[in-house]
Amino acid sequence: GAGVSQSPSNKVTEKGKDVELRCDPISGHTALYWYRQSLGQGLEFLIYFQGNSAPDKSGLPSDRFSAERTGGSVSTLTIQRTQQEDSAVYLCASSQGASPLHFGNGTRLTVT
Amino acid sequence: DQQVKQNSPSLSVQEGRISILNCDYTNSMFDYFLWYKKYPAEGPTFLISISSIKDKNEDGRFTVFLNKSAKHLSLHIVPSQPGDSAVYFCAARGPYSGGGADGLTFGKGTHLIIQP
Repeated sequence: GAGVSQSPSNKVTEKGKDVELRCDPISGHTALYWYRQSLGQGLEFLIYFQGNSAPDKSGLPSDRFSAERTGGSVSTLTIQRTQQEDSAVYLCASSQGASPLHFGNGTRLTVT
Repeated sequence: DQQVKQNSPSLSVQEGRISILNCDYTNSMFDYFLWYKKYPAEGPTFLISISSIKDKNEDGRFTVFLNKSAKHLSLHIVPSQPGDSAVYFCAARGPYSGGGADGLTFGKGTHLIIQP
């Protein structure tokens, strides 16, 4: 596709359930980033992929969060045993070289 | 500790006037600064950037000014139009500043409202 695609656009889940968020980056972009934006907050960095490897996982808030990327393309962010504080908009971005990040429209996660 | 600060959560400007959005940073290692614009239910989109070797960059109605000694940058929009109503994020990048290879650290954003 022409842009970064994220699915689902909205997800409501019960506390304690696992969720999986998907990101399709722009074709050819080797770098992929996950951010989240909680209410009233800026964009919080979660994890960065270069190809399939994740050299920087420093932003993952806890071990309930994990992410993988296969084939240098699609990435999934998994949150296990969701908590209410996980409610946020999760944004994926991709880039190639020194180009600015291109963001998807995000997944709005609500944990009830 | 916030390394990039946007102290105004919102700003209201009349159509046709100048909008000035401000951003302060604390990390002297930052060497590249960007502004992103975000509409509701959409992802942020890149607007304009500036390298630390410059003090001004202009693109149409948008100009970004950088004052390195004050660790301050600003985005000027002239003239402001209704379509400019959005949340504007300031972002900074530098070596070892975290956030992956691109090292972007974002502020909390300023909601710009252009009044007709």
